[in-house]
Amino acid sequence: NAGVTQTPKFQVLKTGQSMTLQCAQDMNHNSMYWYRQDPGMGLRLIYYSASEGTTDKGEVPNGYNVSRLNKREFSLRLESAAPSQTSVYFCASSEAVGVANEKLFFGSGTQLSVL
Amino acid sequence: DAKTTQPNSMESNEEEPVHLPCNHSTISGTDYIHWYRQLPSQGPEYVIHGLTSNVNNRMASLAIAEDRKSSTLILHRATLRDAAVYYCIRYSGGSNYKLTFGKGTLLTVNP
Repeated sequence: NAGVTQTPKFQVLKTGQSMTLQCAQDMNHNSMYWYRQDPGMGLRLIYYSASEGTTDKGEVPNGYNVSRLNKREFSLRLESAAPSQTSVYFCASSEAVGVANEKLFFGSGTQLSVL
Repeated sequence: DAKTTQPNSMESNEEEPVHLPCNHSTISGTDYIHWYRQLPSQGPEYVIHGLTSNVNNRMASLAIAEDRKSSTLILHRATLRDAAVYYCIRYSGGSNYKLTFGKGTLLTVNP
């Protein structure tokens, strides 16, 4: 009963380094999302994927790229990390996007620090 | 912008009921009201949602005002495990996905 799995759980980067955050879901959901959460703040949407093969920008997409590798996996890439990208990153999934009564299922997060 | 207003924090005692308020005075007829909670160091988890009538599930109850301008999440008997940030969200769906999480209400449960 894994649900949404994110790796790694913790990561420290130096400014300018690149890395990819991995997310996988085992619920056969069509839609997946990446959010970031800064201290004392709510969650802000970075990118989402309504279905396999599609991705769309959210509220704060600058500095990030995403890949919907297949139905199960949705990765988030930081090409050149900046201190402003220090945050906790959450991946989520749902059966469909844009449905008003849809539920989101979240992973446990990746704590990223950029020095 | 689909905003809701919640108190920043609330306190409760263990085994007592908790009523978490949410104001959404500009809600539209197609907006659902969703509640999520986030336990410390975890991702948010779904609690409950509703459109017009009151809703119950194993976690909580959702009471929606008749004019739908406010709602209340009810935890019938708070436990220490219920200490979390609770997010009230209004969402009408649509092709431009915008399920937005605000700052929520930090619930403290005292033993």
